Amino acid sequence: NAGVMQNPRHLVRRRGQEARLRCSPMKGHSHVYWYRQLPEEGLKFMVYLQKENIIDESGMPKERFSAEFPKEGPSILRIQQVVRGDSAAYFCASSPSHADTQYFGPGTRLTVL
Amino acid sequence: AQSVTQLDSQVPVFEEAPVELRCNYSSSVSVYLFWYVQYPNQGLQLLLKYLSGSTLVKGINGFEAEFNKSQTSFHLRKPSVHISDTAEYFCAVSDQGSGNTGKLIFGQGTTLQVKP
Repeated sequence: NAGVMQNPRHLVRRRGQEARLRCSPMKGHSHVYWYRQLPEEGLKFMVYLQKENIIDESGMPKERFSAEFPKEGPSILRIQQVVRGDSAAYFCASSPSHADTQYFGPGTRLTVL
Repeated sequence: AQSVTQLDSQVPVFEEAPVELRCNYSSSVSVYLFWYVQYPNQGLQLLLKYLSGSTLVKGINGFEAEFNKSQTSFHLRKPSVHISDTAEYFCAVSDQGSGNTGKLIFGQGTTLQVKP
């Protein structure tokens, strides 16, 4: 059973470009969480999605950030018009239900030049 | 609001010595508690979790943690560490309440440095 997949593992963007981060949950998991880890900090919750629904986006910045989890395909975290402060590691986790253990992917390390 | 405090940012220890990584939390509701380990440039791996029942929880790689409700603590321990335990360790909580979405609140992390 493959674990949580994230791609790309490393992403470099220039200021003002768009970044798209993908997360494929473990087989049988329909719950996806996104977390951001800024340098020298712990992980911060961003958004929680189930298939086709955003359940909790209380940790998402109000502008430029969006997330989706379509019926088919991976979950996408999209950052428009990136700025240097968006440079971080973005982790996704999946679980079979909201009360279950979350399994983390290897992360996408975004660098904004 | 919930918060997690990991009292030590770095813990250096010699190989085969015991270690304790401290974690305190604050919450107005009952919580689930977790410890995760992160090796360099990798994702997080679950070490152990406390959901209910016995307050002493055993996890992988010889780690254990004890839930102390009165002190709101969940300290992680290992009686004898190995070089391979060198990593970043994160304590996290999740709300048990009816509105729980399962989101994890993490501490700042503790870097365990095991020296030969």
